[in-house]
Amino acid sequence: DVQMTQSPSYLAASPGESVSISCKASKSISNYLAWYQQKPGEAYKLLIYSGSTLQSGTPSRFSGSGSGTDFTLTIRSLEPEDFGLYYCQQYYEKPHLTFGSGTKLEIK
Amino acid sequence: EVQLVESGGGLVQPGRSLKLSCAASGFTFSNYYMAWVRQAPKKGLEWVATISTSGSRTYYPDSVKGRFTISRDNAKSSLYLQMNSLKSEDTATYYCARHVGGTIAAFDYWGQGVMVTVSS
Repeated sequence: DVQMTQSPSYLAASPGESVSISCKASKSISNYLAWYQQKPGEAYKLLIYSGSTLQSGTPSRFSGSGSGTDFTLTIRSLEPEDFGLYYCQQYYEKPHLTFGSGTKLEIK
Repeated sequence: EVQLVESGGGLVQPGRSLKLSCAASGFTFSNYYMAWVRQAPKKGLEWVATISTSGSRTYYPDSVKGRFTISRDNAKSSLYLQMNSLKSEDTATYYCARHVGGTIAAFDYWGQGVMVTVSS
């Protein structure tokens, strides 16, 4: 299975700041990567797929980049509602889908 | 509005069985691959099973293969997960999720999840 290494596991930032989350695949996955957000009491939400394509409804302050093995989720001008858990997921090696270990984003 | 609502979770003893259900609404259920994903307490996400649109093809990771069975009833817009020979390591919140675009890919909608606890 493709192993996904996500970092950092915890991140704290103030509103208005920019943050980045890294996701590294154990082998090339082209751009078959998605990013998800979960807020307490809410369902997981797809933010980005194909590495950089924003899902409908995802605010433009979110962006995804990368291909091959290295990917980054960037949130510019953090809003208070951006706190929560973030996960990356590869879907290159179907059907054996794998996720990163998650990043908890706390708003200072 | 797309909705996925899981049910059937609870406390079960090791070695016993449990069946989860997921009621889907707000979209043409038969057009989409569907899946179950789980999250153990304080752990990350783990894909558990995927089923094709017709139900003719199913996929599992080694961790549950031979013990879990995913199925669907397109007439009822429902997804199921039959879990047999349950182990303590199966304790998790189980999410029903829809694959994007009618194939195995990312998940564009998730349910709120249902808790399964395997303990004596």
